[in-house]
Amino acid sequence: EDKVVQSPLSLVVHEGDTVTLNCSYEVTNFRSLLWYKQEKKAPTFLFMLTSSGIEKKSGRLSSILDKKELFSILNITATQTGDSAVYLCAVEDMGAQKLVFGQGTRLTINP
Amino acid sequence: GAVVSQHPSWVICKSGTSVKIECRSLDFQATTMFWYRQFPKQSLMLMATSNEGSKATYEQGVEKDKFLINHASLTLSTLTVTSAHPEDSSFYICSARDPVSWRGKLIEQFFGPGTRLTVL
Repeated sequence: EDKVVQSPLSLVVHEGDTVTLNCSYEVTNFRSLLWYKQEKKAPTFLFMLTSSGIEKKSGRLSSILDKKELFSILNITATQTGDSAVYLCAVEDMGAQKLVFGQGTRLTINP
Repeated sequence: GAVVSQHPSWVICKSGTSVKIECRSLDFQATTMFWYRQFPKQSLMLMATSNEGSKATYEQGVEKDKFLINHASLTLSTLTVTSAHPEDSSFYICSARDPVSWRGKLIEQFFGPGTRLTVL
């Protein structure tokens, strides 16, 4: 059974800090790993990763995938209060074409 | 990116009634749509995969007679919660994708804004 585990489940830091969120997975036929940010409504897309070792970057956010060790990290530098959200990691199974989500990491940025 | 809408955004109903939630892809054709449920402080759980013109595929533990899914066109899927009970109160989210790769790249699922269902 496909499985996605995120850590930590909750994280509280001060504005300006750098955070690293972790996602490990087990999937039968890996297609892609995705990161989403969820505030009060539905998740918004951040990154899709398919290849190992290639960093994806968007502003202060970056992510990388290790397909050998089966994990990904999401980095946020110079955090701001607007970064407070639940960050979800999901893995897509190529055969099933469905997303399996991790439990999420609840990130709180204090001013 | 592509836009997916859901209607209604929130609904309150009495126990025993049925509620229909619509999911529309606004600027692309979605041959596949997914329905998720999210309880407070929990992650998204896939309920079913809906393919246009065929029966939905339900995840283990999801009652297909209770959660009726119809995907009659390439831009619309509906989820009907039949005989709703308070334990069905949740945040229901749909997502849509066109499984054909676009410009040689894999494309992600696009999520709707969600529907918050409260059953009294």
